Amino acid sequence: NAGVTQTPKFQVLKTGQSMTLQCAQDMNHEYMSWYRQDPGMGLRLIHYSVGAGITDQGEVPNGYNVSRSTTEDFPLRLLSAAPSQTSVYFCASTLTTPSTDTQYFGPGTRLTVL
Amino acid sequence: KNEVEQSPQNLTAQEGEFITINCSYSVGISALHWLQQHPGGGIVSLFMLSSGKKKHGRLIATINIQEKHSSLHITASHPRDSAVYICAVRYGGGSNYKLTFGKGTLLTVNP
Repeated sequence: NAGVTQTPKFQVLKTGQSMTLQCAQDMNHEYMSWYRQDPGMGLRLIHYSVGAGITDQGEVPNGYNVSRSTTEDFPLRLLSAAPSQTSVYFCASTLTTPSTDTQYFGPGTRLTVL
Repeated sequence: KNEVEQSPQNLTAQEGEFITINCSYSVGISALHWLQQHPGGGIVSLFMLSSGKKKHGRLIATINIQEKHSSLHITASHPRDSAVYICAVRYGGGSNYKLTFGKGTLLTVNP
């Protein structure tokens, strides 16, 4: 299994540009999520999905869109990039069982918005 | 506001020392997670706890539900344990797997 993959690893954008961060998992997990990590702050939830066709907002959703057309893929779209969106972005999928849940994180995408 | 507080923020130890990292939260939870973030950025799940204690190798995690507190212990610490350790809590039940994260504890173990 490749686990959770993210592309690109690094990206530089200019203010106002749009782009899509890709996330894919091959573990057939229903629950997936996007986080951003900023210096001095904990990981913060942007959007999440409980299965194909179902998405919902997290703590910091403004400026981002998501879709979930398949179980495997969960792309994150930046509509009009702003310097405040400079961050490291992590995608995660969650293995859920009746007694436990385990998060699997992608390697992250480091985004700089100029 | 539901908060997750970790202490200490930074911890430096000598190889072989016993390490304790603490996590406290403000309201009742359904589960608590400990994660490890390597210097290269990768994040790995270590434990999920809803009660009691779990052990994996040199790592031990405990939780006290009444006191709203969890600890992560590392016995016989080694330089390869150097990483950021992150506590995260899950407030909801059922199919709500949303997590709230602490800011992390940076552990440096010197040889």
